[in-house]
Parts: sequence; C-alpha cells; structure tokens
Amino acid sequence: DTAVSQTPKYLVTQMGNDKSIKCEQNLGHDTMYWYKQDSKKFLKIMFSYNNKELIINETVPNRFSPKSPDKAHLNLHINSLELGDSAVYFCASSQAGVPGYTFGSGTRLTVV
Amino acid sequence: SQKIEQNSEALNIQEGKTATLTCNYTNYSPAYLQWYRQDPGRGPVFLLLIRENEKEKRKERLKVTFDTTLKQSLFHITASQPADSATYLCALQDSSYKLIFGSGTRLLVRP
Repeated sequence: DTAVSQTPKYLVTQMGNDKSIKCEQNLGHDTMYWYKQDSKKFLKIMFSYNNKELIINETVPNRFSPKSPDKAHLNLHINSLELGDSAVYFCASSQAGVPGYTFGSGTRLTVV
Repeated sequence: SQKIEQNSEALNIQEGKTATLTCNYTNYSPAYLQWYRQDPGRGPVFLLLIRENEKEKRKERLKVTFDTTLKQSLFHITASQPADSATYLCALQDSSYKLIFGSGTRLLVRP
C-alpha cells in the first residue's frame, strides 16, 4: 500500500525520558513534515524537510530534533519529555505540483 | 498574527441536506486554500485545493468557494450522508511549503 506510515501508534512514557517517532513514505514525495495536534485539535507545523534539507523550523523547543536520513524517512527525537509534550504527532508528505498533503495515522504520545 | 477561524461548534444537519462550513482568515495572503477531512483517531485526508485566482472548485458532491476580498472560503457538501460525519479542516498555504490549519468544524449528519 502506498502511504505515510509512522511508528509507534501509541507511546506512553515518563517525564524526563527520551523517545523517538519514526515516519516513512513510499509515495516518492520530496517533502516531509511533522505536525503536532493538541487537545484542542489544532494542527501546528513543527518541521519540514525537502530532499533531506530542513526548510521549516517553527518555534519548537530544541528538545525536539528531526532527522531525515533520506527523502523517504523523517524521524522525530524528543529529549527530556515534559507533560506538555503530550499530543498526537502527525507525519505528512507532499510533492510539488501535486495538490494536498498525505498524512500518517498519527502517534499519540502521553507523558506521565 | 495569522489567524484561521472555523466554527468551533458542531454542525448538525439532516441527511440529504446541504452542509455549509465556513473558513475565515486574517493577516494572511494565501496562494492556496485546502480542505481536509479528519475522522477520530486518523490523520487528515486531503479533499480539495483551490487557488487564489479561482472562485469555485467542485468534486463530486463537494464544492469549495474562495473569496480573497472577504478572506473567506465556504465548503459545501450536497446530499449529505451519515458517512460524511467527520471534522473538516481548512488550511492555507502561501508560496512556501508551510500549510497552516484551522481548528476544524465537526459535522454530524443525522439519518
């Protein structure tokens, strides 16, 4: 199936831990994104990579570090997790000239 | 600062009627406006894109209008069905890659 897949789907962890979320797309898209959806359902962009190059870096704590080993993968590493990091994190991809973004199904992160 | 407003209250309509959802924006000059559908526990799914120089776009039972003077888009679903029940998100994009989302409007279609 062509898709954006992210793992894990659920992540429960304690404050202060470090965790990673992985994302892969097999659509051949050039650009990938990380979005955060909070409890009020607002989707806010965090980062974007185009062909492994960081092109969008919103005001996000530097505890969050994206890494793109190749254009099909964009991972998100979070250090020293805080309660306020609890949210659903969505990975997405897009291709210039093709309308719309394709989103993954999300990773629900709960920090306790 | 840029602001996108969608009706935060759920829209509750009878099956067969036309659903109309509103998206208003301020302090922004988007080149594109997109609409997405999001079901509980799922990621948003792209529905339609309309460009700043287009007034209207249609796809099957969906119609989107874009008024850059009023800074508003209307999203219509004709002959609505219970399966159309979901949250609908408006998103704006300028010439960069950045896509900014509204908070969405929940639509409930009663059988």
